[in-house]
Amino acid sequence: GAVVSQHPSRVICKSGTSVKIECRSLDFQATTMFWYRQFPKQSLMLMATSNEGSKATYEQGVEKDKFLINHASLTLSTLTVTSAHPEDSSFYICSAIRGAYQPQHFGDGTRLSIL
Amino acid sequence: GENVEQHPSTLSVQEGDSAVIKCTYSDSASNYFPWYKQELGKGPQLIIDIRSNVGEKKDQRIAVTLNKTAKHFSLHITETQPEDSAVYFCAAKEGGGGADGLTFGKGTHLIIQP
Repeated sequence: GAVVSQHPSRVICKSGTSVKIECRSLDFQATTMFWYRQFPKQSLMLMATSNEGSKATYEQGVEKDKFLINHASLTLSTLTVTSAHPEDSSFYICSAIRGAYQPQHFGDGTRLSIL
Repeated sequence: GENVEQHPSTLSVQEGDSAVIKCTYSDSASNYFPWYKQELGKGPQLIIDIRSNVGEKKDQRIAVTLNKTAKHFSLHITETQPEDSAVYFCAAKEGGGGADGLTFGKGTHLIIQP
């Protein structure tokens, strides 16, 4: 069964809106969570690494003020896309690990569509 | 940073035949190589992984081989079935850090012909 839950699965909203996506580890405490972005028929690109209780580490080219990440507990990380625009439309996927050197388990993603 | 190349982009095989997907990586410090299966509209599901201290790993119909010298690794699926149809991604984790993100290949769309 799923070990990582992501919510919502689909969001459609107007340009300028801020959107929050939740990622939960269901049966384990995730020391680290990751956020990826996937364009249609393309690969997953790592956006940021999120550790509980500390600031996220963003990959080069990812705007930290645009994509706010909060990892308030060992089972929940959130990604907020602020003032979203059509170019932010994408499939956002989170993953979590039980500990260092453990496999990453992915959620089912959030399809974000900005009109 | 790490760069992962994956081939082929599309692979069509007859049901019951074997499928092989190949990946190369650039960072010799990478030490962890997972393979994921992604179905339409879903997140990637881990199907098998291998670490750099192992040359081959098998799990029923799925096997992965790793050649550290050549910096390439391959996924082998035997006795393919219709439910194997999906997009498969290889990935590598650079550096020795235990909690680093993954660098993915571009994916292979595997089509199993009945």
